[in-house]
Amino acid sequence: AQSVTQLDSQVPVFEEAPVELRCNYSSSVSVYLFWYVQYPNQGLQLLLKYLSGSTLVKGINGFEAEFNKSQTSFHLRKPSVHISDTAEYFCAVSVGGGADGLTFGKGTHLIIQP
Amino acid sequence: NAGVTQTPKFRVLKTGQSMTLLCAQDMNHEYMYWYRQDPGMGLRLIHYSVGEGTTAKGEVPDGYNVSRLKKQNFLLGLESAAPSQTSVYFCASSYFGSTQYFGPGTRLLVL
Repeated sequence: AQSVTQLDSQVPVFEEAPVELRCNYSSSVSVYLFWYVQYPNQGLQLLLKYLSGSTLVKGINGFEAEFNKSQTSFHLRKPSVHISDTAEYFCAVSVGGGADGLTFGKGTHLIIQP
Repeated sequence: NAGVTQTPKFRVLKTGQSMTLLCAQDMNHEYMYWYRQDPGMGLRLIHYSVGEGTTAKGEVPDGYNVSRLKKQNFLLGLESAAPSQTSVYFCASSYFGSTQYFGPGTRLLVL
């Protein structure tokens, strides 16, 4: 079975500073990788995904992530954050084409300080 | 195009009561899923369906039942609610796997 570890439950960062949210996964087979964002009292919105091809993936709102197979990581980065980026971020993995659902990490709360 | 919708948005139940959560999608997706979200736990898969008339158990299926009588709808039932089922429930759908699209969630409080 696969699993996802988000190494930080909370990340405080000043506005306009860069940020990295860390995600590691374990799986014995090839995986698809996702980052979702959840704003307060809302559903989940897809930020970006890695299915195959280039290991650097660009998403919405200026976010990007890099798939590192040897380190089984999929860290999320943004060069300059804004107050509006305050949210919960979830890393998720699926195997076998995704038919049997996503396995999520426990989430990282990104707190932007003015 | 409404995407994925969930009914109701919020519900309070007493222990032992039953209820059904409705999920509807208008994207002609084959796969549908029910997750629950609890503080510090992320989202966990309850049940899923890979097509009309099919259902399968996820990671935390106990205490829940599901039905997929129509392709666009996926129902989640609680036959006898327990306080441990207090949670936020999310429905999602996808076109043959890959990207899942989520509904806005249903907040359930069981007293």
